Amino acid sequence: EPEVTQTPSHQVTQMGQEVILRCVPISNHLYFYWYRQILGQKVEFLVSFYNNEISEKSEIFDDQFSVERPDGSNFTLKIRSTKLEDSAMYFCASSESRVGTDTQYFGPGTRLTVL
Amino acid sequence: KNQVEQSPQSLIILEGKNCTLQCNYTVSPFSNLRWYKQDTGRGPVSLTIMTFSENTKSNGRYTATLDADTKQSSLHITASQLSDSASYICVVIGSGNTGKLIFGQGTTLQVKP
Repeated sequence: EPEVTQTPSHQVTQMGQEVILRCVPISNHLYFYWYRQILGQKVEFLVSFYNNEISEKSEIFDDQFSVERPDGSNFTLKIRSTKLEDSAMYFCASSESRVGTDTQYFGPGTRLTVL
Repeated sequence: KNQVEQSPQSLIILEGKNCTLQCNYTVSPFSNLRWYKQDTGRGPVSLTIMTFSENTKSNGRYTATLDADTKQSSLHITASQLSDSASYICVVIGSGNTGKLIFGQGTTLQVKP
């Protein structure tokens, strides 16, 4: 069964460094998402992306964050200058459409630790 | 403010027993409600999706109900198994079709032998 993959599974970085989290969505999906989950807290929406544009972003997704689909398969989340509070599990998701009843498939997540 | 609240926060049951998890939401306008299962350290996996016009939906031993008037949903797990131990998250999508999911904090279920 097709699945969303994410790399790396765990990333450790120093505060102020740039990180890029990578995702390979399911191949025929057109809509892509990033979510994060701080330890012990709810999963939070960050951004949705379609047709090489951001569709919606949350207030968490400030100028430090950016997303890109550099080629036909990868979808990346970049954090320009990491802060301690960016430490979280980051989940990528994809769906065929954004019709409300369409399932979003989640990847296994990347655990980001900022020291 | 759009919110999704779940209860109980955690639950321990014996293998083979049934349980029911609750979800209340204030998201408006409302498009659909989903229940996800999240194993520790993994991404959420969709169990059920219900639109406002659906009252119940089943997926194997999982049965979800929805009352759009009272903005309440429940997830009933029948004949629990050890592998059901996970976090169960109620997720709501508002209308507008941006795909943005609004998550509850989840109920942590532990099934003991």
